Amino acid sequence: EVQLVESGGGLVKPGGSLRLSCAASGFTFTDAWMSWVRQAPGKGLEWVGRIKSKSDGETAEYAASVKGRFTISRDDSKNRLYLQMDSLKTEDTAVFFCIAVDTSGYYTLDYWGRGTLVTVSS
Amino acid sequence: EIVLAQSPGTLSLSPGERATLSCRASQSVTSSYLAWYQQKPGQAPRLLIYGASTRASGIPGRFIGSRSGTDFTLTISRLEPEDVAVYYCQQYGSSPLYTFGQGTKLEIK
Repeated sequence: EVQLVESGGGLVKPGGSLRLSCAASGFTFTDAWMSWVRQAPGKGLEWVGRIKSKSDGETAEYAASVKGRFTISRDDSKNRLYLQMDSLKTEDTAVFFCIAVDTSGYYTLDYWGRGTLVTVSS
Repeated sequence: EIVLAQSPGTLSLSPGERATLSCRASQSVTSSYLAWYQQKPGQAPRLLIYGASTRASGIPGRFIGSRSGTDFTLTISRLEPEDVAVYYCQQYGSSPLYTFGQGTKLEIK
């Protein structure tokens, strides 16, 4: 069974940093492309970024709203995905979901974690 | 940037009725890259439909996806109480990589 468990959320002041972690199990993490999607309270879904597998170059792409402030990385030896968030703004307040991406050709957001809440407030 | 406009914002129907949810793209979207997700209250979203019309694993047959030009439709043929959720369409491929519609909230009377 695929499991994705996010952690690391919490309260942080504007301008601060936070690192989210996602523990993956039940699939071959080394081969997986992974994404982060966020959802502000009571709002819709916003894609944050994606990282490819190491064999596909381990390249990361980001939404314009977070580019230059957020960094996605992975540790395949630990089956973990990370989201380093710097220069946080109040508008970054959201539940952040860790997602395993389909790579069979459709690139759908197949498996989702339950999310971790990040609150940016003074 | 491709914008996905979902309508209606909220849909309130009775069990057994048919629900029709619309997703209109501002530009051409490759069918392969159009998906629908269901988010039940307090839960993470779940993939329902991919490739515009293919049901994901374990999704009941009453969920039907279709396309006409730049208009995509999710039809729930016979509503059940557990279908209460917000439904999102999503496209992949154009910058940004993933774009979501704003969602349609489905209520059961």
